[in-house]
Amino acid sequence: GAVVSQHPSWVICKSGTSVKIECRSLDFQATTMFWYRQFPKQSLMLMATSNEGSKATYEQGVEKDKFLINHASLTLSTLTVTSAHPEDSSFYICSARPTGGAGRTDTQYFGPGTRLTVL
Amino acid sequence: KQEVTQIPAALSVPEGENLVLNCSFTDSAIYNLQWFRQDPGKGLTSLLLIQSSQREQTSGRLNASLDKSSGRSTLYIAASQPGDSATYLCAVTPNQAGTALIFGKGTTLSVSS
Repeated sequence: GAVVSQHPSWVICKSGTSVKIECRSLDFQATTMFWYRQFPKQSLMLMATSNEGSKATYEQGVEKDKFLINHASLTLSTLTVTSAHPEDSSFYICSARPTGGAGRTDTQYFGPGTRLTVL
Repeated sequence: KQEVTQIPAALSVPEGENLVLNCSFTDSAIYNLQWFRQDPGKGLTSLLLIQSSQREQTSGRLNASLDKSSGRSTLYIAASQPGDSATYLCAVTPNQAGTALIFGKGTTLSVSS
């Protein structure tokens, strides 16, 4: 139980285009989801906290107009990288904390990640 | 600001050795601490979660300890195998369950046969 999926698992796009990444909790509801970014040989860094039905909270240094987050339902959050550039190439991972359904409410469950390469 | 440090950054051992990975954190006011495994290009696999009130957790050949007052945790791997080769990440949840995790940079383990 408590499975989180991400789609796509990898994507290659041209510079200047936008890319949408989906994060779904498959067997539980989550009012809060988190988006992390991981550069090569670095750790995961929190980008933003996604709140169902309200605006996301962004970490310092993360451009909210570039990384658009929508959490329209209790099982889905999306991250859209707008006008992507090569420096946005990274591994993006989401996590979700159950507020109903499977899993422990004191634990975050991670998606498998999305590898973004911007040419 | 909470910071998580992992030592060593990389470790190479022959198969069969017992080994210890270290994690330290600067603020002892944590909710829990988790150890994850990450294979190259892949997501995270949760290995062990220790609540702030606990001292250790065990799963198979893995044992994680937590000394909250000193801001330290260790992950002990017994009888290492080549399949244990991966990056091991330590992460703390700050003072309540709903907050994001703060990760260390990881220890990359290589076990040779």
